Amino acid sequence: QVQLVESGGGVVQPGRSLRLSCAASGFNFRSYPVHWVRQAPGKGLEWVAIISYDESQKYYADSVRGRFTISRDNSKNTLYLQMNSLRGEDTAVYFCARVRRPYSAPYYYYIIDVWGQGTTVTVSS
Amino acid sequence: QSVLTQPPSVSAAPGQKVTISCSGSNSNIRNNYVSWYQQLPGSAPKLLIYDNSERPSGIPDRFSGSQSGTSATLDITGLQTGDEADYYCGIWDSSLSLVVFGGGTKLTVL
Repeated sequence: QVQLVESGGGVVQPGRSLRLSCAASGFNFRSYPVHWVRQAPGKGLEWVAIISYDESQKYYADSVRGRFTISRDNSKNTLYLQMNSLRGEDTAVYFCARVRRPYSAPYYYYIIDVWGQGTTVTVSS
Repeated sequence: QSVLTQPPSVSAAPGQKVTISCSGSNSNIRNNYVSWYQQLPGSAPKLLIYDNSERPSGIPDRFSGSQSGTSATLDITGLQTGDEADYYCGIWDSSLSLVVFGGGTKLTVL
């Protein structure tokens, strides 16, 4: 079945780095734009970043721009999020999530039809 | 604080109808389509509505969406206890090139 499985979360000190991975299966990963979305404890959803199906376009939330980098390896069906200079406010569950339409333009990026179960990142000294 | 404003909570009795609003501005909702997501406790979000009012396959017609001006609404009829969840609206803000979610609304079925 269509599935996204995140990994790489953990406890990290402020200022350090962490790389999250998201393994996709059950669909043609290379055809779909994919997001990272996070949720701080007890808070709402916060969009983090998106990458187009061919890596030609990447967009970031203001809160992470310049610190986080989204990338993908279509040969490995895997999405990544490199997180540098981590802060306490980055503590959250991080979800990877698929855009509903393959090969879609940014106009359709708000339609997210498949979500992983999330990986937890805790930034604390 | 999100640019899309949702009421923090709504409640209604089983079998009743509830409406959840998502209020934005001319620069976001008026010019972009809206999606809605349901997040059950301890679970990942689930797509309920896209393109303001379209339902993905498998979503019951008890869930419906609409948009007018700078606001969007999610209606849930025939409320069930299993509908207790957090609900989020979302858009692609084409002027800022980013996705925006509303702050979320907690639905309690009394």
